[in-house]
Amino acid sequence: GAGVSQSPSNKVTEKGKDVELRCDPISGHTALYWYRQSLGQGLEFLIYFQGNSAPDKSGLPSDRFSAERTGGSVSTLTIQRTQQEDSAVYLCASSLWGYGYTFGSGTRLTVV
Amino acid sequence: AQSVTQLGSHVSVSEGALVLLRCNYSSSVPPYLFWYVQYPNQGLQLLLKYTSAATLVKGINGFEAEFKKSETSFHLTKPSAHMSDAAEYFCAVSRGMDSSYKLIFGSGTRLLVRP
Repeated sequence: GAGVSQSPSNKVTEKGKDVELRCDPISGHTALYWYRQSLGQGLEFLIYFQGNSAPDKSGLPSDRFSAERTGGSVSTLTIQRTQQEDSAVYLCASSLWGYGYTFGSGTRLTVV
Repeated sequence: AQSVTQLGSHVSVSEGALVLLRCNYSSSVPPYLFWYVQYPNQGLQLLLKYTSAATLVKGINGFEAEFKKSETSFHLTKPSAHMSDAAEYFCAVSRGMDSSYKLIFGSGTRLLVRP
């Protein structure tokens, strides 16, 4: 597609429920990143996928967070047993070597 | 390790005035530096990037930034603010342009433009 697409744009969930956030990167981009933007905070790196290499999961805040990237394209970020502190905007970005990063519009997650 | 510090979570200027948003970085290797802008309910848009070529980098919408190694700074400026510049601005550092290098972001500066 023309840009990075994220869905849903907004998600309200009850504490304790699981949620899945989707990212469709730009076609052909080999790298995909997930970031989290909490209210009044900067962007926090979560996880990074590059081609067929093992993902860099060093930014995931707990084992309730996981992500996968199927077929080197679409990625899903899953948060299990959501907590109120998980409320944030989750941003996805994709990249092709040397061309920088293109961000999606994000998913705003609210845990009530 | 790399890090970015943005001084001032909020900056307010009058329309037509100079915009100066401050960014200082820490990096053990020559850094690649970026400024992104985020408008309400939108993703991040790249304003400009420093990749070890010219130290004065010109970006979109009349913004520019100067890399000063001696001061470890990469401040963003615009000579004359427009109302449409009101947004949040993020400075970021990376080890390179290779997509295997993740971006490390500052905490952001919200720019307010007064009529």
